[in-house]
Amino acid sequence: DGGITQSPKYLFRKEGQNVTLSCEQNLNHDAMYWYRQDPGQGLRLIYYSQIVNDFQKGDIAEGYSVSREKKESFPLTVTSAQKNPTAFYLCASTPRDRGNGIQYFGAGTRLSVL
Amino acid sequence: AQSVTQPDIHITVSEGASLELRCNYSYGATPYLFWYVQSPGQGLQLLLKYFSGDTLVQGIKGFEAEFKRSQSSFNLRKPSVHWSDAAEYFCAVGAGQAGTALIFGKGTTLSVSS
Repeated sequence: DGGITQSPKYLFRKEGQNVTLSCEQNLNHDAMYWYRQDPGQGLRLIYYSQIVNDFQKGDIAEGYSVSREKKESFPLTVTSAQKNPTAFYLCASTPRDRGNGIQYFGAGTRLSVL
Repeated sequence: AQSVTQPDIHITVSEGASLELRCNYSYGATPYLFWYVQSPGQGLQLLLKYFSGDTLVQGIKGFEAEFKRSQSSFNLRKPSVHWSDAAEYFCAVGAGQAGTALIFGKGTTLSVSS
């Protein structure tokens, strides 16, 4: 079945540690996105990528980094510079030439600080 | 500024009663409008979308939404709510192009009482 796979489902970060959240899609979608969700805050855009080897900062990119070396993969690294990383992280993708911007979501990764 | 407002943070309805969730948007271009639903700890699932044409759109699970340009609204409705509809609902607006981000509201949590 086609879809978006996020792993791990739960992740714990120690003080000063970088952690990487995985997002893989087999939908042949071109654009991919990372959102952060906090209670009562809705979804806030961290980074997005329209094509391989290109990505743009969203509204809350500080303390995060991404790469897009393959069309299928868009990993997110939460760096030690992100002082409040506890949140639910959602990855999404959308096809380039169809779909009118409909975004399809993974099941999310919940990140907590130890 | 582009934004989406969902005025109701939390709504409780009785099972079998009708439901209306409000959404107002501010967007500088032709809006492409979406409603997503999220069960606890899960990703977002698309309920319905409006791109153009008939202003009353039908979605999955018996939901519908009406686009009112004059009121900048896109309210979600369901004639008879089921207990399984309890979830968080997000309204979003976008430019309708792949690679452009969606702007999400902060969400409305729906509880269903028996």
